[in-house]
Amino acid sequence: QSVLTQPPSVSGAPGQRVTISCTGSSSNIGAGYDVHWYQQLPGTAPKLLIHGNSNRPSGVPDRFSGSKSGTSASLAISGLQAEDEADYYCQSYDRSLSDYVFGTGTKVTVL
Amino acid sequence: EVQLVESGGGLVQPGGSLRLSCAASAFTFSSYWMSWVRQAPGKGLQWVAHIKQDGSEEYYVDSVKGRFTISRDNAKNSLYLQMNSLRAEDTAVYYCARGAWSPHDYYFDYWGQGTLVTVSS
Repeated sequence: QSVLTQPPSVSGAPGQRVTISCTGSSSNIGAGYDVHWYQQLPGTAPKLLIHGNSNRPSGVPDRFSGSKSGTSASLAISGLQAEDEADYYCQSYDRSLSDYVFGTGTKVTVL
Repeated sequence: EVQLVESGGGLVQPGGSLRLSCAASAFTFSSYWMSWVRQAPGKGLQWVAHIKQDGSEEYYVDSVKGRFTISRDNAKNSLYLQMNSLRAEDTAVYYCARGAWSPHDYYFDYWGQGTLVTVSS
């Protein structure tokens, strides 16, 4: 059972904006550890989308943005496209577990 | 382009052993922490282990401590995961991932395609 909770699914029409929450606690996100986000397209390996809460690696469209506040973080996808249909995972560090932990994952569906 | 290619997965009986390999290319392998992350069928991601650049430090998730060993050969640009005393719950796709450090913690900036390990009698 993950210590980072995400909604199981979110959906939106093409062009819309969707957000995915990642809720943690005082032993992970709230302790100041950074949050990172990964995109996993169907049948493929995860790909880094956001690191250090809000930084996009080279090649990631600026439609993807990340933020962090308190014990939670969010990933926003603006101008939703069909190719954005995937599973999305947040990741941080938990000092109580001494583990690198992933969120429960969110499936994004483009209507 | 950074490339990570895993191999060594397969079907193994409970209690058996398996050694996974990851061949790295297009970056200075000896300069990076490296990790293994797994994903059970239809489930989420779980960090398994990681190892420092020179192999002097290793860290594991509790569920594999004492059973799995991560290692590397910088001369061969290769990462390994020796898995012993395998259990059904170890069944997963195992990904090799390159590590990177943000100011406050660790993340995975490149991933291999994964290799499937199935533990079943």
